[in-house]
Amino acid sequence: RKEVEQDPGPFNVPEGATVAFNCTYSNSASQSFFWYRQDCRKEPKLLMSVYSSGNEDGRFTAQLNRASQYISLLIRDSKLSDSATYLCVVNMGKLVFGAGTILRVKS
Amino acid sequence: EAQVTQNPRYLITVTGKKLTVTCSQNMNHEYMSWYRQDPGLGLRQIYYSMNVEVTDKGDVPEGYKVSRKEKRNFPLILESPSPNQTSLYFCASTLKWGDYEQYFGPGTRLTVT
Repeated sequence: RKEVEQDPGPFNVPEGATVAFNCTYSNSASQSFFWYRQDCRKEPKLLMSVYSSGNEDGRFTAQLNRASQYISLLIRDSKLSDSATYLCVVNMGKLVFGAGTILRVKS
Repeated sequence: EAQVTQNPRYLITVTGKKLTVTCSQNMNHEYMSWYRQDPGLGLRQIYYSMNVEVTDKGDVPEGYKVSRKEKRNFPLILESPSPNQTSLYFCASTLKWGDYEQYFGPGTRLTVT
């Protein structure tokens, strides 16, 4: 079993849709969690950190469920520019990256 | 502009020919690392450095070497490249180890034939 697992997608959604990704992790002692965004063939960039209480940044909402060991990312009112790969990252004493979920937003 | 730079961006080489990929950051970050990204596997850490003259192995260090003689530079060395090292490589830096944002370089696409 991978330490951090994501549904690879692709998720194909129309503009304006709401889409959610989940990411599961294996180490229950993991302390911190992040979502990074990676555009095609480019470097990953931090999208948001995930706090225990959940956090929101504009159209993006991240949540943590420690009991079930997963984090989620919700994107509301999807834009064409949201098309990218979303990487789940978990700090298990070392940073472990998921393989990513591909999102394609179509007009 | 705060950034991480890598060179070269693209490289095609042959098995056994030593190569170096340079990485430099201008943010005075203590922590630097190298990752490789392969389809379906996510980013995997090759080596990391907590500070000058302090380096350690990551998850996939075989076939690679690094050095950290200066705070800003963290080159990745492949002494004898092999085809299984064909990959997309990213250098990253962060203020120090912990829950700080990782800043990635633009990537180096390496092909070993």
